[in-house]
Amino acid sequence: EVQLVESGGGLVQPGRSLKLSCAASGFTFSNYYMAWVRQAPKKGLEWVATISTSGSRTYYPDSVKGRFTISRDNAKSSLYLQMNSLKSEDTATYYCARPPPFDYWGQGVMVTVSS
Amino acid sequence: DVVMTQTPVSLSVSLGGQVSISCRSSQSLVHNNGNTYLSWYLQKPGQSPQLLIYKVSNRFSGISDRFSGSGSGTDFTLKISRVEPDDLGVYYCGQGTQYPWTFGGGTKLELK
Repeated sequence: EVQLVESGGGLVQPGRSLKLSCAASGFTFSNYYMAWVRQAPKKGLEWVATISTSGSRTYYPDSVKGRFTISRDNAKSSLYLQMNSLKSEDTATYYCARPPPFDYWGQGVMVTVSS
Repeated sequence: DVVMTQTPVSLSVSLGGQVSISCRSSQSLVHNNGNTYLSWYLQKPGQSPQLLIYKVSNRFSGISDRFSGSGSGTDFTLKISRVEPDDLGVYYCGQGTQYPWTFGGGTKLELK
């Protein structure tokens, strides 16, 4: 059974950093691209980042480019999202998901950016 | 960026009824490789989104044949027949043809 379990969320002040993790199991992690998708409270879905199987290629929307970094450790079947210079508009539930399409999703982890 | 527009924003249905949700993209979703990466997701209350349909019309594993997807180019439709209580929630379309990947704003399906 495919499982994606996020961790690392919490309350953080604007301008600070936070790193999310996603532990994957039930499939050969190194064979799949992986991604992060977020959902602000009561809002829709927004794609945040994608990483290739080896980690050599990464993709971001303009809203997070230069501030967020996606990475992976295939030996540990783990995905990460380093979030720097956080803003209030980054407040959201962050989902780890397997693209494309997003066939499996984690349960999500809440990130609140507030002073 | 490809803008995905879903209509209606909300929909009321009676159990056992049929509904259609429209999703239109601002650009063609046909990839250079000939595939059209248009997917549909359902987010039930308090849950993570789940994949229903991928590449326009392919049902994901375990998804009932009451769900069907159709369309081409920039115009797509999700149809749900014989609506059941477990179908209620917010439906999203999403495109993976072109970066940045984008989603529609969502359609909330409620009971009449």
